[in-house]
Amino acid sequence: DAGVIQSPRHEVTEMGQEVTLRCKPISGHDYLFWYRQTMMRGLELLIYFNNNVPIDDSGMPEDRFSAKMPNASFSTLKIQPSEPRDSAVYFCASRRTGEVGGYTFGSGTRLTVV
Amino acid sequence: LAKTTQPISMDSYEGQEVNITCSHNNIATNDYITWYQQFPSQGPRFIIQGYKTKVTNEVASLFIPADRKSSTLSLPRVSLSDTAVYYCLVGDPWGGATNKLIFGTGTLLAVQP
Repeated sequence: DAGVIQSPRHEVTEMGQEVTLRCKPISGHDYLFWYRQTMMRGLELLIYFNNNVPIDDSGMPEDRFSAKMPNASFSTLKIQPSEPRDSAVYFCASRRTGEVGGYTFGSGTRLTVV
Repeated sequence: LAKTTQPISMDSYEGQEVNITCSHNNIATNDYITWYQQFPSQGPRFIIQGYKTKVTNEVASLFIPADRKSSTLSLPRVSLSDTAVYYCLVGDPWGGATNKLIFGTGTLLAVQP
């Protein structure tokens, strides 16, 4: 298995632009999580899905952030409009219910908003 | 949600055994204890998971006392490449209220030659 695949690996954009981050979870995993990591706030859970349905989005910072999971093999996290304070590394993770072994994280997308 | 407390940082030397203890006083009956390792510019990586007593794999051992209010990750004979942040988390792998993993600050382990 190729693991959790995220794209792009790096993204540099100007303030006010729309940014879309992509994630392909491991096949067969029914949970998908989006995290954000910064030096100041550490790893923050933004939102998670179960069987493609958003379960908890209480960590989404503002209405500028939205996430979708149109099918079991794809999810997006969109920021519109982007702001410099959104600069962070965004991780996607997936897991299978009841599987001992925890989450599998992707390599992350480093977002820089200038 | 169960909250975990662990030391902010630890120092060690190559070849030593390192034990990182984590407190989780409010752990729920269905919660498992999971440890992750994170290197700079990478996502967290699963190390070990357990429910009670002792679990051992090729990387580490996890010791959990009977009351399950704490756990200890043991790394035998660390090397420079073990320098990383180690996170202790609790959650229910079968779903439920504690399904989502909330990461704390983790423990930065610095291994010196």
